[in-house]
Amino acid sequence: DAKTTQPNSMESNEEEPVHLPCNHSTISGTDYIHWYRQLPSQGPEYVIHGLTSNVNNRMASLAIAEDRKSSTLILHRATLRDAAVYYCILRAPASNTGNQFYFGTGTSLTVIP
Amino acid sequence: KAGVTQTPRYLIKTRGQQVTLSCSPISGHRSVSWYQQTPGQGLQFLFEYFSETQRNKGNFPGRFSGRQFSNSRSEMNVSTLELGDSALYLCASSLVLAGDSEQYFGPGTRLTVT
Repeated sequence: DAKTTQPNSMESNEEEPVHLPCNHSTISGTDYIHWYRQLPSQGPEYVIHGLTSNVNNRMASLAIAEDRKSSTLILHRATLRDAAVYYCILRAPASNTGNQFYFGTGTSLTVIP
Repeated sequence: KAGVTQTPRYLIKTRGQQVTLSCSPISGHRSVSWYQQTPGQGLQFLFEYFSETQRNKGNFPGRFSGRQFSNSRSEMNVSTLELGDSALYLCASSLVLAGDSEQYFGPGTRLTVT
């Protein structure tokens, strides 16, 4: 099972962009890259996912390196509500055994007003 | 559309007892996963069900078990409770079992073992 490495914590000023990095050097060619976040006292929340190409949605953007060994979650304008723990997760196709989510320790994002 | 619901939200049990937690997935979702979250170990995968079959299992002792019913609702059971089982138990549902499926989490059941 492939694992990810993220910084334990990061800080950002409100209304500035935030780039959250994730290393996944053992990623296989068919693993999807998922990002979830967990706000205090809540269950995790889906943010975005991708396979090879960069992805955008209303919440964030996901930039995936060409070799797929790293990715970056981009919050374009951080708000106080974005303060959470962000998890980068790899997920294999369903046909693979052991394709469950491994959440790791995540990055705790602090947004400074 | 209603989200994932978990019952009960809070539970206090005594060491040695057993407990059953329930999860109702989003309507139409066929996959249900369970996680244990503790301050020391973080979020750990317990098991995943799809169409009433366990498809994946995490590294937990046999005291932890689960099942999924034909309506996709799921239950997990912990027997012979230990103090270390005190945790937030989270359930997540997804439409299908696929690498690109999004998971939607419930609010969790807070279990305290005394």
